Amino acid sequence: DIQLTQSPSFLSASIGDRVTITCRASQGIGSYLAWYQQKPGKAPKLLIYPASTLQSGVPSRFSGSGSGTQFTLTISSLQPEDFATYYCQQVDSYPRTFGQGTKVEIK
Amino acid sequence: EVQLVESGGGLVQPGGSLRLSCAASGFTFSSYSMTWVRQAPGKGLEWVSVISDSTDVTLYADSVKGRFTISRDNSKNTLYLQMNSLRAEDTAVYYCARKMRYGNYPVDYWGQGTLVTVSS
Repeated sequence: DIQLTQSPSFLSASIGDRVTITCRASQGIGSYLAWYQQKPGKAPKLLIYPASTLQSGVPSRFSGSGSGTQFTLTISSLQPEDFATYYCQQVDSYPRTFGQGTKVEIK
Repeated sequence: EVQLVESGGGLVQPGGSLRLSCAASGFTFSSYSMTWVRQAPGKGLEWVSVISDSTDVTLYADSVKGRFTISRDNSKNTLYLQMNSLRAEDTAVYYCARKMRYGNYPVDYWGQGTLVTVSS
């Protein structure tokens, strides 16, 4: 199985900060990586797939990059509605594994 | 509007069984692969199972293989997850989700989830 390791697991940031989350895969997965945002008590929301393509309706302050084994999710200017937990997921092979999540909280 | 509505969760004793349902609307259900993903309380997301649009392909996480069975009824626009031999570690919110399209694609729509609690 492909393991995904996100870092950091937790980060504290202020409104307007630039935030970067990293997802590392245990083997190459091309660009077959998705990013999700999950708020408490809600289902996850697809933000980016493949690795750098923003889904329709997702604000342009979100961006993704990377390929192979190293990926990043960047929020250029953190907004109040962005405080949430973010997950990466590989869709290169089954089982479709997720990273452990990165919780973004208000500083 | 795409809608996925799960039902069937609840409290069950270890070793028991439960069947989850997911009613789909707002899209051509029979054209999409469907997935179950779960989330234990306070924990991350875990992919559970997938079924192809025509039901010819079903895949499972090792943690549920041999105990859970995914199925669908395209005439009723409904996805199912039959869960047998339940364990405490199966306690989670179970989400059904639609796979974007065939191939290497993620899920794009999720239900609101249904909570399964395995406890004596």
